[in-house]
Amino acid sequence: AQSVTQLDSQVPVFEEAPVELRCNYSSSVSVYLFWYVQYPNQGLQLLLKYLSGSTLVKGINGFEAEFNKSQTSFHLRKPSVHISDTAEYFCAVSGSNDYKLSFGAGTTVTVRA
Amino acid sequence: SQTIHQWPATLVQPVGSPLSLECTVEGTSNPNLYWYRQAAGRGLQLLFYSVGIGQISSEVPQNLSASRPQDRQFILSSKKLLLSDSGFYLCACRGLWEGYGYTFGSGTRLTVV
Repeated sequence: AQSVTQLDSQVPVFEEAPVELRCNYSSSVSVYLFWYVQYPNQGLQLLLKYLSGSTLVKGINGFEAEFNKSQTSFHLRKPSVHISDTAEYFCAVSGSNDYKLSFGAGTTVTVRA
Repeated sequence: SQTIHQWPATLVQPVGSPLSLECTVEGTSNPNLYWYRQAAGRGLQLLFYSVGIGQISSEVPQNLSASRPQDRQFILSSKKLLLSDSGFYLCACRGLWEGYGYTFGSGTRLTVV
């Protein structure tokens, strides 16, 4: 089985500053990794995913993440955040032959002017 | 692309009343379908998943049940709601061409009073 740990529950950040959200996973098999964003009272929207190939993955809204197999990490970054990036962010993992995604507990990002 | 319709958006129900939440999917056939619950301040908990009509797997023993009467319809039910059933319920669909990522519905906010 796979599991995900998001190391920060809350991340306050000023507008136009960079942000990094940390995600570590555990798995005994090859994995697929995802980052989702959830705005208040909405469903989850896929930001980006890693399936294979290049370890640097670019997603929507200027986000990117880097897969590090040796450190079992998949950290999410954005070089300059906007007020509209205020949301909750979830890291998720599934085994390569698994039907199910396992989610982290989420990181709440609050962007202040 | 896939679209998930979930309703109602919000629901307030008394303790002991029945529950029926419906989820329908467009733009795909024979999808894997999932029900997640998100309690306040917590991550996403997988409740049920289905790989086909009439096929339901339960992840967590609880007061809820799920059914899949049609290929693109997934229903979450309860005969008698408990206070602990309050939360944000999300339906999700996995499409093969999304690289195993999920598409989420907009969610139902259930408050049991």
